[in-house]
Amino acid sequence: AQTVTQSQPEMSVQEAETVTLSCTYDTSENNYYLFWYKQPPSRQMILVIRQEAYKQQNATENRFSVNFQKAAKSFSLKISDSQLGDTAMYFCAFMKGGTGTASKLTFGTGTRLQVTL
Amino acid sequence: GAVVSQHPSRVICKSGTSVKIECRSLDFQATTMFWYRQFPKKSLMLMATSNEGSKATYEQGVEKDKFLINHASLTLSTLTVTSAHPEDSSFYICSARDSRTVNTEAFFGQGTRLTVV
Repeated sequence: AQTVTQSQPEMSVQEAETVTLSCTYDTSENNYYLFWYKQPPSRQMILVIRQEAYKQQNATENRFSVNFQKAAKSFSLKISDSQLGDTAMYFCAFMKGGTGTASKLTFGTGTRLQVTL
Repeated sequence: GAVVSQHPSRVICKSGTSVKIECRSLDFQATTMFWYRQFPKKSLMLMATSNEGSKATYEQGVEKDKFLINHASLTLSTLTVTSAHPEDSSFYICSARDSRTVNTEAFFGQGTRLTVV
């Protein structure tokens, strides 16, 4: 079974600053995907960024980037130029590859990020 | 992006009654949908995998007779909480992927807040 660990229950960052959220996982799989999801107060889950395990290059999406260390099983999320709208709960998630749309997500416990003025 | 619609967004029911929650993929087909439960300030816990035209696959510890899942078409899955009790009060979220693509992104419904009184 896979496990996903987020060791930071809460984080705070000032507007325009950079913050890094940590995530580690444990798996014996070699083919898998990793995700960061954002859940704002509306509770709608929003995909922030996705990383395929077979890709060495770290994924980036505008102000969001990841540091994927496969050997260390680490998958941190960096948010640059933080904005008030980034305030949300952030979940790291793991999905086994190779089973198509039947693959389920395993979520970490989440990190609550507060962006302050 | 693809849209998953979940209905109702909020429901209050009396103890002992049943409640049905719908999850629809509006612009894509989904042979598989997923039902999660989320307690306040907690992570998403997978309850079951809903399979179109066949029985759902339940996670360990989830009572299949209490949480009935029906996936009668490629765009609709329903979760029925039978004989609801206050401890069933929670936030329920569904997700789905487009069956016609290899895109790994899962789209989430808006969630349903169930309160059993």
